[in-house]
Amino acid sequence: ILNVEQSPQSLHVQEGDSTNFTCSFPSSNFYALHWYRWETAKSPEALFVMTLNGDEKKKGRISATLNTKEGYSYLYIKGSQPEDSATYLCATGGGLGSARQLTFGSGTQLTVLP
Amino acid sequence: NAGVTQTPKFQVLKTGQSMTLQCAQDMNHEYMSWYRQDPGMGLRLIHYSVGAGITDQGEVPNGYNVSRSTTEDFPLRLLSAAPSQTSVYFCASSPRGTGVGNTIYFGEGSWLTVV
Repeated sequence: ILNVEQSPQSLHVQEGDSTNFTCSFPSSNFYALHWYRWETAKSPEALFVMTLNGDEKKKGRISATLNTKEGYSYLYIKGSQPEDSATYLCATGGGLGSARQLTFGSGTQLTVLP
Repeated sequence: NAGVTQTPKFQVLKTGQSMTLQCAQDMNHEYMSWYRQDPGMGLRLIHYSVGAGITDQGEVPNGYNVSRSTTEDFPLRLLSAAPSQTSVYFCASSPRGTGVGNTIYFGEGSWLTVV
């Protein structure tokens, strides 16, 4: 079982602030890094899947970077809005049968205050 | 397109009762899995299936059974509920054969309380 750590555990920011959180994972035997966004009572929603060292992905105001050599990924939100409030989960693993190989971190709970 | 559908959404059980959480997907995905979400612990894998007729244990399988008789359905059975099984349960599916980095599709979760 891989050890995937996310920090901070929770975060409160003001509307309009930019923010970022970290996902740390073992760098050996790396396959893929997933970011998910989860609002309570809804399905976790896939944001990004990254596989290569140096990968950068962007979706609207949200972007992510990946460093597989040192074992971390950053998720950035530019100009946070109240609708960005959610728990952001990262997971590592993958390959054939990725549904069984993902190990999740405990998440970063983001609250954006209007 | 419904995606991954879980039922029931909420359930209260008494200790010792058994029940089945239903999961169905309409995306023709071969891989399906069950996770539980507990505060501060992230999603932990209970059981998974790589195709109809094939299942295997994940990180926390004790107290749960699964079967996969069809590609679409992957029910999770609690054999004799215990308060430690109070949790939010997520069913998930993903396509097969696309190699590294398959996206996982989740259901909306089932909130289970065992008293």
